[in-house]
Amino acid sequence: GDSVTQMEGPVTLSEEAFLTINCTYTATGYPSLFWYVQYPGEGLQLLLKATKADDKGSNKGFEATYRKETTSFHLEKGSVQVSDSAVYFCALNQGGKLIFGQGTELSVKP
Amino acid sequence: DAGVIQSPRHEVTEMGQEVTLRCKPISGHNSLFWYRQTMMRGLELLIYFNNNVPIDDSGMPEDRFSAKMPNASFSTLKIQPSEPRDSAVYFCASSLGPENEQFFGPGTRLTVL
Repeated sequence: GDSVTQMEGPVTLSEEAFLTINCTYTATGYPSLFWYVQYPGEGLQLLLKATKADDKGSNKGFEATYRKETTSFHLEKGSVQVSDSAVYFCALNQGGKLIFGQGTELSVKP
Repeated sequence: DAGVIQSPRHEVTEMGQEVTLRCKPISGHNSLFWYRQTMMRGLELLIYFNNNVPIDDSGMPEDRFSAKMPNASFSTLKIQPSEPRDSAVYFCASSLGPENEQFFGPGTRLTVL
């Protein structure tokens, strides 16, 4: 069945460091791909999305490119801030069902 | 827009009791989703509705769980009887359609003692 695999956390970085969170997927066809972010005690918020191969989603300095050849959708940010501390979820949408990775906790220290 | 509204935000109950979680989707959204989040299993889709009709309930764990959507602005998820292993955060989400961006509510944290 369809699945999403993320790098394990927690990831701890210093402020202004470069961030990469790896995400790979297994799916039939070409699903839409998403990154959601969950701040402590809150629900999930859509961070960015890509609907077809080679699309780049971007928002708030975060970017991810839909790579069909490597079935990946890695999340990157050039300079993280303390306020980026949260749990990040990679997900695919297959026929209306969102399938999530296990989540990666990011902690950014001042 | 108020976003997706869930109630209660926290629920503590004893094993064997009935629990009802409530969700009001964003006005105009046609699809509604119920998810469960646990440390062990992560985020799982329980059921989703399109135009108030249940489309896929394959994620509902067992017969103790039931969900209804009597109209476009309200849905419930009921657990009867509840068990300690049902303790989790339950999220409701809505979207314009099944393939569109899903907007999540703040969740209901359920603790079954």
